[in-house]
Amino acid sequence: DVKVTQSSRYLVKRTGEKVFLECVQDMDHENMFWYRQDPGLGLRLIYFSYDVKMKEKGDIPEGYSVSREKKERFSLILESASTNQTSMYLCASSLTIQPQHFGDGTRLSIL
Amino acid sequence: ILNVEQSPQSLHVQEGDSTNFTCSFPSSNFYALHWYRWETAKSPEALFVMTLNGDEKKKGRISATLNTKEGYSYLYIKGSQPEDSATYLCAPGPDTGRRALTFGSGTRLQVQP
Repeated sequence: DVKVTQSSRYLVKRTGEKVFLECVQDMDHENMFWYRQDPGLGLRLIYFSYDVKMKEKGDIPEGYSVSREKKERFSLILESASTNQTSMYLCASSLTIQPQHFGDGTRLSIL
Repeated sequence: ILNVEQSPQSLHVQEGDSTNFTCSFPSSNFYALHWYRWETAKSPEALFVMTLNGDEKKKGRISATLNTKEGYSYLYIKGSQPEDSATYLCAPGPDTGRRALTFGSGTRLQVQP
């Protein structure tokens, strides 16, 4: 069965910290995505990757970076966390045109 | 960024009612349209991927239709049950200009027993 695993369900960090959110998929998917979900705003795409070491900005990349050194792992990095980055973060993976498979999400609070 | 609109934003129905929602998207450069169901405290789950104009997909009591020429898709739920309560998201894409999906803000369905 398809599995997308996010490293933490809940995370609390302080402003200015560098924060790493990790996502691992076991399906050999070439595409991986990071979204954030805020009330009333749906799922907004932060970054995605369509191959190892390849990345593209999504709709709201400011304040974030990503890393994809191996096909199965896609990391989201908050370079200097700010309170407006408090949100639910979702990782997903897919083959092209196929449905995306989502992780359980990480609820991140920045104090 | 694609302009994807879903309506209504929220819906309250009684158990047994049938209901439908709309997803509107740009009809140019269409590639595929995805529907997802997102229950509270769970991760989004794919319902359908539709690619052809006039396509109709069905999964149990849920069905969807697609009109790529005018840029809309309908999702129908027949005889709603409390377990259908969720947010339903549509997402067109990917296309030649963007390899990722663009999600609408969703329709939140609440089914009262």
